[in-house]
Parts: sequence; structure tokens; C-alpha cells
Amino acid sequence: KAGVTQTPRYLIKTRGQQVTLSCSPISGHRSVSWYQQTPGQGLQFLFEYFSETQRNKGNFPGRFSGRQFSNSRSEMNVSTLELGDSALYLCASSLGPGAQPQHFGDGTRLSIL
Amino acid sequence: AQTVTQSQPEMSVQEAETVTLSCTYDTSESDYYLFWYKQPPSRQMILVIRQEAYKQQNATENRFSVNFQKAAKSFSLKISDSQLGDAAMYFCAYRGSGTYKYIFGTGTRLKVLA
Repeated sequence: KAGVTQTPRYLIKTRGQQVTLSCSPISGHRSVSWYQQTPGQGLQFLFEYFSETQRNKGNFPGRFSGRQFSNSRSEMNVSTLELGDSALYLCASSLGPGAQPQHFGDGTRLSIL
Repeated sequence: AQTVTQSQPEMSVQEAETVTLSCTYDTSESDYYLFWYKQPPSRQMILVIRQEAYKQQNATENRFSVNFQKAAKSFSLKISDSQLGDAAMYFCAYRGSGTYKYIFGTGTRLKVLA
């Protein structure tokens, strides 16, 4: 079974631009979560989607948005990029409630120049 | 709000020895789940072990075991017979029973010395 797939692996943008990151969950997983990982802050929760609905949201500005499609694939968009948005963005999918763990992708490394 | 604290930014252990990584959390919920994830330099996060709060028995997965103290809100990870491949960043994570939102600690970098 294929794991969580994130594209692209690396991305370089300049301040003010916008970016879209993609995540394909494990087949059958309907919950997709996004995290921002930085050396100083660790993993910060961005948002979680289930059946195309955002159910949970972290404390990030409105420049960070996401969506989920009917096939459970998810995209994350960041507009008006700032230098501080440079980070590893991780996507994770989960099968269901209870003790089901999240399975992570390899992440997208976003660098802002 | 729930919080997860890992007070050891970095730990070292000799190969074949045992090491314990600490994690404390704060919550007012009675039902929740706790996880330890490992992130090697290759960067993919891998589940190491999980614990349901309603279970008193500590979870064990081969060389990995936890010491879950619910009253103290403590969830430490013990790695026995440490191997070079155990070198990684280890994250403790909390999830309430009614949510898919995970809260992660800041991580502990484990170095394994040959």
C-alpha cells in the first residue's frame, strides 16, 4: 500500500508570492492533517480535514488555507509569503478515530528568499 | 488547552545501553491517546508506540516501552539495547479522544554513540 505522498519535495519562493502544496493520503484514509515544522517551534498544527470539511484549525493567520477533495487528496495554500514561512510542511493521514495513529509523508521543504 | 512538554532537547546513549526520554502533558480530558514518533534524518515521521489513557498497562513494542503515569501526566519512552539506527528526533504527541488534532512536543534529539 502506498504511503502518504507529498509534492513537491522542495520549493523555493520569494516574499509576496503564493504557494500550493499537495498531499495524497494513504488509500482509505479520510482524515488529512497539515503541520509546519521549524527548528525552534517543533511541529505546529495547521488544520485537519475530514470528508472535505475542515474540522480543526491551529493558530495560524488567514494566509494559510487548505482544502480537501472528494478523493481525500488535500492541498495547502499559503499566500503573501513571508520569510518566516520557511519550514518543512508535513502532511499526515489517519484511518479513523480511537487509537489509529497518523501516518506522515516526507514533507515539502519550503524556502522563502 | 492541552500542552505537551519534552524537557530534554538532546540525549546521548551508548550503543546497547538503555535510555529514557521524558514527556509530560497537561489536559483536563480523561480519555485521550499518547504517541511517540521518531523522525530520522531522512525526515519521515514514524510511529514508535502508542498508549490509550484508559489502559493501565504500559505499551511495549519490542525494544521500546513506555512508563505511563496518568495521575502525574507523564509519558516517558524507554529504549532498550540502543542501536545506531535509533538515532533520530523523538516527538511525544497527545490527541484527545474526540478530535483528530494532535499536539506535539518540541522533540528530543537522540544520539547513539558507537
